[in-house]
Amino acid sequence: GENVEQHPSTLSVQEGDSAVIKCTYSDSASNYFPWYKQELGKRPQLIIDIRSNVGEKKDQRIAVTLNKTAKHFSLHITETQPEDSAVYFCAASKNNAGNMLTFGGGTRLMVKP
Amino acid sequence: GAVVSQHPSWVICKSGTSVKIECRSLDFQATTMFWYRQFPKQSLMLMATSNEGSKATYEQGVEKDKFLINHASLTLSTLTVTSAHPEDSSFYICSAPRTFYDSSYNEQFFGPGTRLTVL
Repeated sequence: GENVEQHPSTLSVQEGDSAVIKCTYSDSASNYFPWYKQELGKRPQLIIDIRSNVGEKKDQRIAVTLNKTAKHFSLHITETQPEDSAVYFCAASKNNAGNMLTFGGGTRLMVKP
Repeated sequence: GAVVSQHPSWVICKSGTSVKIECRSLDFQATTMFWYRQFPKQSLMLMATSNEGSKATYEQGVEKDKFLINHASLTLSTLTVTSAHPEDSSFYICSAPRTFYDSSYNEQFFGPGTRLTVL
């Protein structure tokens, strides 16, 4: 089955700096790669996703890149703010978003004011 | 966006009792729902796929007789933790995929989660 690795497990940045989180996946059939932000005790919130037919997607301060050949994808957050502090999860699935998600291990992002 | 609800949001029970958790898609139909379990400071792990009108598909290592899943309708799936023990204490989250106006776009929607504490 699919295996998703995520790095780093913790990331501390100064407010205004950029943060980058990287994930690799094992199943070349995976074609949907969402990123979730989860605050303590709450449901994961989709912040951005990318499908295998594109290499990059951007939404304001957040961007995601996908390298299908290398089977890795990354989340980039620019101009970080304290409210960006949370746990971020990458995930992968086949059949676009209609199928089960395999999650990475998570990254605890701390943005220091 | 689509809404998925879960009930209860938290439950405390004694060891040996059974607990039922409901997952509902409020404004769309879901023939498939997914149940995840999340231990503290860990990732979400898929437990099973709930299929409306047929048996659930369980992931390796998940006991189907302990975690009973019933997908009673197109908007409701239930997870029953039978004979719960302290090691079953966890955060249980369901999700449901929804396909939008054209079939090329779909998205997973998560319930708010249920925190189970077994004493």
